[in-house]
Amino acid sequence: DAGVTQSPTHLIKTRGQQVTLRCSPKSGHDTVSWYQQALGQGPQFIFQYYEEEERQRGNFPDRFSGHQFPNYSSELNVNALLLGDSALYLCASSFFGLAHGYTFGSGTRLTVV
Amino acid sequence: GQQVMQIPQYQHVQEGEDFTTYCNSSTTLSNIQWYKQRPGGHPVFLIQLVKSGEVKKQKRLTFQFGEAKKNSSLHITATQTTDVGTYFCAVTNAGKSTFGDGTTLTVKP
Repeated sequence: DAGVTQSPTHLIKTRGQQVTLRCSPKSGHDTVSWYQQALGQGPQFIFQYYEEEERQRGNFPDRFSGHQFPNYSSELNVNALLLGDSALYLCASSFFGLAHGYTFGSGTRLTVV
Repeated sequence: GQQVMQIPQYQHVQEGEDFTTYCNSSTTLSNIQWYKQRPGGHPVFLIQLVKSGEVKKQKRLTFQFGEAKKNSSLHITATQTTDVGTYFCAVTNAGKSTFGDGTTLTVKP
């Protein structure tokens, strides 16, 4: 089952550092969305990529940036890490234009110390 | 943007009891999705509702979309321990999904 895969699963970084998280979408999907989920809260939309461009963006600062590659995989980059960036980062894939639910990956647990 | 509020935040039930979670919005929703997240897991898509008054069933789960498309509910009949987790509603608009904060269900055997 070629579901959504994310790497790494866990990561510990120091304040001020930079981090890159990776996501491979489900086979057949061409759109990748990134979410931040703090403990006890619902996922918060960061941005969505389609055709290698950022199509939608949530209320996150420019420290959060992304990229989508021709094979539809995606990266999330966070610069100048803050303690408050500690969260579960979820990648979700879908087929653009098809109104349906997303397929989520298992996430990357980021801890900033 | 569209926001959704979920109630209750937590629900503790005895195995075999029913469970309902509600999702409310002050604005008309174009659609509503429901997800389940098991402890330590990731959200798993359950269903999408788009029509006013729509009712869909999945085994012991019943999903409803209000007539005015401003609220939705998820009802589980005769809960089992496998139903534990957090249930989220979400609304998607132009590719951006807004999630509620979820209802966490615990089931006592």
